[in-house]
Amino acid sequence: AQRVTQPEKLLSVFKGAPVELKCNYSYSGSPELFWYVQYSRQRLQLLLRHISRESIKGFTADLNKGETSFHLKKPFAQEEDSAMYYCALSGPGTYKYIFGTGTRLKVLA
Amino acid sequence: GAGVSQTPSNKVTEKGKYVELRCDPISGHTALYWYRQSLGQGPEFLIYFQGTGAADDSGLPNDRFFAVRPEGSVSTLKIQRTERGDSAVYLCASSLAGMNTEAFFGQGTRLTVV
Repeated sequence: AQRVTQPEKLLSVFKGAPVELKCNYSYSGSPELFWYVQYSRQRLQLLLRHISRESIKGFTADLNKGETSFHLKKPFAQEEDSAMYYCALSGPGTYKYIFGTGTRLKVLA
Repeated sequence: GAGVSQTPSNKVTEKGKYVELRCDPISGHTALYWYRQSLGQGPEFLIYFQGTGAADDSGLPNDRFFAVRPEGSVSTLKIQRTERGDSAVYLCASSLAGMNTEAFFGQGTRLTVV
């Protein structure tokens, strides 16, 4: 079955602490993985995608095909990182996303 | 417009009524998607349009749901005989044609069926 699992509904960290938002996926093939973010009162927007291999707002994510994971990491959390984060996949030859249930990140002062 | 526009932003309707939700995509985006997000869940795929045609409607839950995009731009999601379980945020997204391209989301329409 095609599935994206985000085991944590809520993750609270202090400002300056490292952050890791977990994402595991199940897909028979080679999907493309994404992280989307939704800040308070804003629309869902793309944060990063594994194919780009870039760091956005200090966040990085490495695709681990052996563990079927795509965890999102940031070494030093900032208060403005507080938001809802969704991991998603898109299969080759398809256009639709399969989203996880999301993790709410709260960065405490 | 600067982004994907959805109207109305909120809709309250009575059980059994018919509703239409509108999506105005980014100009030039040929791909358009509808997703539904229930409380505590991630967005769930409903239907995908490439131009005027529905290329994939596998996510529509039943035949009460229907969507059109007659001129390849604005799309309308139509729900007949609404049920309380249809209450959710309906999200529209658009993207350039092509595989795995970034989807730009609208603010969503919050539908409440009472």
